Amino acid sequence: QQQVKQSPQSLIVQKGGISIINCAYENTAFDYFPWYQQFPGKGPALLIAIRPDVSEKKEGRFTISFNKSAKQFSLHIMDSQPGDSATYFCAAWPSGNTPLVFGKGTRLSVIA
Amino acid sequence: NAGVTQTPKFQVLKTGQSMTLQCAQDMNHEYMSWYRQDPGMGLRLIHYSVGAGITDQGEVPNGYNVSRSTTEDFPLRLLSAAPSQTSVYFCASSNAGVGLGYTFGSGTRLTVV
Repeated sequence: QQQVKQSPQSLIVQKGGISIINCAYENTAFDYFPWYQQFPGKGPALLIAIRPDVSEKKEGRFTISFNKSAKQFSLHIMDSQPGDSATYFCAAWPSGNTPLVFGKGTRLSVIA
Repeated sequence: NAGVTQTPKFQVLKTGQSMTLQCAQDMNHEYMSWYRQDPGMGLRLIHYSVGAGITDQGEVPNGYNVSRSTTEDFPLRLLSAAPSQTSVYFCASSNAGVGLGYTFGSGTRLTVV
């Protein structure tokens, strides 16, 4: 079973701070790395994604950093707000007719 | 509204009962899948389909059946419910490929007593 390991399991950040969630994958040629955001009582929604030929992608306050040699990628949330409080899932796609492999999720709480 | 519709939103079953969780999408997506979400376990893939008439097993398929007779619908059947199947179930679909751009439904919270 191909795996994506996500940490931390939970994270508390002060309003205005930087939230950092890390993921690592095993020895497999994944081709696409999305992050999903899930609010309580809702389904996950695609937040931002990156391909392995790019080291960083930024969309507003959200940035993915990708380190291909270390097989690691991370989500940075700048100027974190209480509205960012949610569960975040990293994922990886091995390509072809194979579904996404999800990390186990990080519950982020941003406190004022 | 376009999207993935799951019904019911909540369900309580007795052990041994059967039921079908419904999933429908109106985006003409080829790929559909079912996940279960449990605390600390993340999203675990149950079954998926890459098109009408084609289904395959995911990580945790035991106790669940699926079929895909149309592009729009992908029902998940519990044949004999067990307390271990208490979970939140999500259906997802994608038009961009098996691993790209998933749209999730809002989930079905199932309790088996």
